[in-house]
Amino acid sequence: QQPVQSPQAVILREGEDAVINCSSSKALYSVHWYRQKHGEAPVFLMILLKGGEQKGHEKISASFNEKKQQSSLYLTASQLSYSGTYFCGTVVGIVTDSWGKFQFGAGTQVVVTP
Amino acid sequence: DTGVSQDPRHKITKRGQNVTFRCDPISEHNRLYWYRQTLGQGPEFLTYFQNEAQLEKSRLLSDRFSAERPKGSFSTLEIQRTEQGDSAMYLCASTRDPTGELFFGEGSRLTVL
Repeated sequence: QQPVQSPQAVILREGEDAVINCSSSKALYSVHWYRQKHGEAPVFLMILLKGGEQKGHEKISASFNEKKQQSSLYLTASQLSYSGTYFCGTVVGIVTDSWGKFQFGAGTQVVVTP
Repeated sequence: DTGVSQDPRHKITKRGQNVTFRCDPISEHNRLYWYRQTLGQGPEFLTYFQNEAQLEKSRLLSDRFSAERPKGSFSTLEIQRTEQGDSAMYLCASTRDPTGELFFGEGSRLTVL
């Protein structure tokens, strides 16, 4: 049930682009993206909901393919501050009273160098 | 909005001892989640609550783990008879609904000697 992320790690020079992928074996209601820096709690980046709605407050874009149960996070013109571990979190299934379990992938470590 | 707070931030204990962690979610959030995270891994789901009701508990957990959320406010996670494999960061998170942002606390780091 845990979503699968790829790649496991990526090293970028400042200004380069990267794509992080997240896939699930189950039908997804939403995909969440978080970034975690060493020793800190995960920080929200973006939510992509079934039906196309997106919510986010960072200059990082993402896509959600509901049919393929996949999401991709696009790091464009990377900055040093983008370094950290990126996790996708998924919520599967349909809306019920007990719905809403978030599960996270193993993470993608991103290192941006000057 | 004071954020999600967890206590204690660090706990060192000897194998076989019991430990309890507390999480205070953001006040208007009715959903509360517990995760365990080890170095280099993503947060591993443990359990979650909607108000005071525990909706699901991971099958990965043994009976040594128990969580409560009395009155739908703060939550406690207790680990009985700790083992070295329990050493990890225990993260608490809360949200108003599953379509919204999950707010994480700073975590409680457990070291079992």
